[in-house]
Amino acid sequence: ETVMTQSPATLSVSPGESPTLSCRASRSVSSLLAWYQQKPGQAPRLLMYGASTRATGIPARFSGSGSGTEFTLTISSLQSEDFAVYYCQQYNNWPPTFGGGTKVEIK
Amino acid sequence: QVQLQESGPGLVKPSQTLSLTCTVSGGSFNSVEYYWSWIRQLPGKGLEWIGYIQGSGSTFNNPSLRSRILMSIDTSKSQFSLNLTSVTAADTALYYCARNYCGGGSCFPLLNEYWGRGTLVTVSS
Repeated sequence: ETVMTQSPATLSVSPGESPTLSCRASRSVSSLLAWYQQKPGQAPRLLMYGASTRATGIPARFSGSGSGTEFTLTISSLQSEDFAVYYCQQYNNWPPTFGGGTKVEIK
Repeated sequence: QVQLQESGPGLVKPSQTLSLTCTVSGGSFNSVEYYWSWIRQLPGKGLEWIGYIQGSGSTFNNPSLRSRILMSIDTSKSQFSLNLTSVTAADTALYYCARNYCGGGSCFPLLNEYWGRGTLVTVSS
């Protein structure tokens, strides 16, 4: 299966900063890469798909890029509600697989 | 608004079968564009795709679990179910049911927009 590796595991950020999260695939997933946000006690929420397309209702401060094996998610001007764990998921190769997550915490 | 709710025992003995049901309310259950999935979150770890089922009964399962998975759907009750046989402690996880994402004029079988709250299943004697 396609192994997804996210870095860093934890990111300490101050509100207003613009962190970039990374996701690497063990083999090409083309642009079929999604990002989810998960807050404590909640199910994941779909943020991005197709590497760079925001899902319905997702604010424009979230942006994604990449293709093949290297992807990034950038959160512009981090808001208090953005502190969460972020997962990438590839859906090009079967089975779909998720990364281990990056926790964005308050600095 | 689409809502999903998992139900089933929270404790299963090793070697037995884990059985969960997901009840869906709101929206249409029978659309051919909808894919009903099971995803689990292992303790302190990431997410693992178990499989999905369509209203027709067609299923796709994770190869790592395929021989142990049985999924079914009851469109008359707006429910779908998961049976995972021969469980071990490694199957202890938070189990989610979910429905796929439809947006931008397309529906995507392997992306999930609507999720249940999850149900914790512990495998222990």
